[in-house]
Amino acid sequence: NAGVTQTPKFQVLKTGQSMTLQCAQDMNHNSMYWYRQDPGMGLRLIYYSASEGTTDKGEVPNGYNVSRLNKREFSLRLESAAPSQTSVYFCASRAGGEGQPQHFGDGTRLSIL
Amino acid sequence: AQSVSQHNHHVILSEAASLELGCNYSYGGTVNLFWYVQYPGQHLQLLLKYFSGDPLVKGIKGFEAEFIKSKFSFNLRKPSVQWSDTAEYFCAVNPRMDSSYKLIFGSGTRLLVRP
Repeated sequence: NAGVTQTPKFQVLKTGQSMTLQCAQDMNHNSMYWYRQDPGMGLRLIYYSASEGTTDKGEVPNGYNVSRLNKREFSLRLESAAPSQTSVYFCASRAGGEGQPQHFGDGTRLSIL
Repeated sequence: AQSVSQHNHHVILSEAASLELGCNYSYGGTVNLFWYVQYPGQHLQLLLKYFSGDPLVKGIKGFEAEFIKSKFSFNLRKPSVQWSDTAEYFCAVNPRMDSSYKLIFGSGTRLLVRP
């Protein structure tokens, strides 16, 4: 049981390049989330998808776009990468129902030069 | 705006010492509460959660947390830490009225346990 799988694990980009981070879950969860983790700031929500076919902005959406391709997959795209987007990105998914926790992937460490 | 505060950013303990990590949130309504742990180089794993019932909840690896509604707090405790507890700990809150169930995280507490 893989849970939440993120690819790639590491990536270095140059300023202005574009990139898509991939996330897939095999737990049949409805909701999926993208967070970024920066030192001393915890995790901040970028975008989320409450169900297949819907996406909404989180706390820090600027510079990002998302696609909920199907129930399993939720991708995050950086159209024109900036050094401020250097971070560790985590994808999470959640089953429906009150009190259910989010399950996290292993993260993508992204450096933008 | 809703927020979560973790007052201790870095904690250093010796093995067998007791641990208490503070977590306070700012939201007047009903909440679901979580503690996650992140071991070095790994993803976040759920330690424990509270959403109803007994305010003292027990989690994995001997951790427990107490929800005190009047204090808007959800402190994490462990009576005797081990070297393997070295990790970063995150408190997170989900307001019940938020149907997206998105989490608001604290900034984290880095725990170092000396052997």
